[in-house]
Amino acid sequence: GQQLNQSPQSMFIQEGEDVSMNCTSSSIFNTWLWYKQDPGEGPVLLIALYKAGELTSNGRLTAQFGITRKDSFLNISASIPSDVGIYFCAGQRETSGSRLTFGEGTQLTVNP
Amino acid sequence: GAVVSQHPSRVICKSGTSVKIECRSLDFQATTMFWYRQFPKQSLMLMATSNEGSKATYEQGVEKDKFLINHASLTLSTLTVTSAHPEDSSFYICSAPRQHTEAFFGQGTRLTVV
Repeated sequence: GQQLNQSPQSMFIQEGEDVSMNCTSSSIFNTWLWYKQDPGEGPVLLIALYKAGELTSNGRLTAQFGITRKDSFLNISASIPSDVGIYFCAGQRETSGSRLTFGEGTQLTVNP
Repeated sequence: GAVVSQHPSRVICKSGTSVKIECRSLDFQATTMFWYRQFPKQSLMLMATSNEGSKATYEQGVEKDKFLINHASLTLSTLTVTSAHPEDSSFYICSAPRQHTEAFFGQGTRLTVV
């Protein structure tokens, strides 16, 4: 199905650095979700955003729901090796019930 | 802890046999559950929407006779891969929305057809 535009596709950073990734769409979403997936596992929900402009934190993670409702970003501060994994954004439209549209994913590698 | 449990996590089967994968919501009821397929280094591809008490809704290109979905209770959906072939080998993941928006995923099932 249709996917969100997520960037970057991959990132290689040093431990301690901050990371930022984002998702954009040509259409409006009323919910944005950010997930992390480890190899061989299902995605784990990190942050859920429900209102335009909303800024939410979960430990070292911060995510924002764009004012236009067409984008969202995720920041990770002071990265650590266990942050390695694939990060997915997902959006939910008002007209799609609980069905999600996913980004292509950002593969994060953290070098100790 | 996990709110959606998927079983088995890994299965190897012979070509031509059928495999059943279970997805359970642990502490909430889910009238809808979703089944995804994921290829290596790719995003999740929605296969079908499982509806409690009614027929599943399949995405375009997904064979409903190949991938049988049953949602017999408010906490359990099953995906049966019938007459499996090597090309059906993949990572299958289920999800269930809680409170209409937050979607929680199962641990995934790695299917290998030999």
